[in-house]
Amino acid sequence: DADVTQTPRNRITKTGKRIMLECSQTKGHDRMYWYRQDPGLGLRLIYYSFDVKDINKGEISDGYSVSRQAQAKFSLSLESAIPNQTALYFCATSDLLTSGTNNEQFFGPGTRLTVL
Amino acid sequence: GENVEQHPSTLSVQEGDSAVIKCTYSDSASNYFPWYKQELGKGPQLIIDIRSNVGEKKDQRIAVTLNKTAKHFSLHITETQPEDSAVYFCAAKPAGRRALTFGSGTRLQVQP
Repeated sequence: DADVTQTPRNRITKTGKRIMLECSQTKGHDRMYWYRQDPGLGLRLIYYSFDVKDINKGEISDGYSVSRQAQAKFSLSLESAIPNQTALYFCATSDLLTSGTNNEQFFGPGTRLTVL
Repeated sequence: GENVEQHPSTLSVQEGDSAVIKCTYSDSASNYFPWYKQELGKGPQLIIDIRSNVGEKKDQRIAVTLNKTAKHFSLHITETQPEDSAVYFCAAKPAGRRALTFGSGTRLQVQP
């Protein structure tokens, strides 16, 4: 979805390096999420934020941190990257609507991260 | 927390046949069940969802059924076409919780 952008799209780094993945959205949504996708494991939630002052851990937050710089920006950091953090990372957004599908999440195109 | 299991992991069908993907969930408080489709090189996209007060929902060639007693729900695709080839994810969200739990995904391949 072009309304949710992720940078970089691909990144190769080395063990121990600090990495930041960025997500921006123009949908005006309050809620933002970070997931990682691994083969056979589906999408697992790392962190989520329901507004600028709200940060919550997901099921696999160890080794990751996030920053919600503004309503439209949500960054994911790997403080000291390790090889098992090699994965496809997705940012997503959603909004609470008064009607309709109020839980729909809109995903960005993903960032493929390789940690050597 | 919620646990969602999805089967099969891969599914190959002939064009025009039907495809069925099944998911089970563990938390009886779950009340929202979406299905997402992920095409190659893209992020997942919602294709259909169902709430716990409904047993079945249809949208053209796609339908979802929910059995609350057995805690399972299924995606049915009829008259499959090559463009249906993708990875499909089910998910569940318990009432009062703020996040979805996704299944492990099913790679559907429609053979022309």
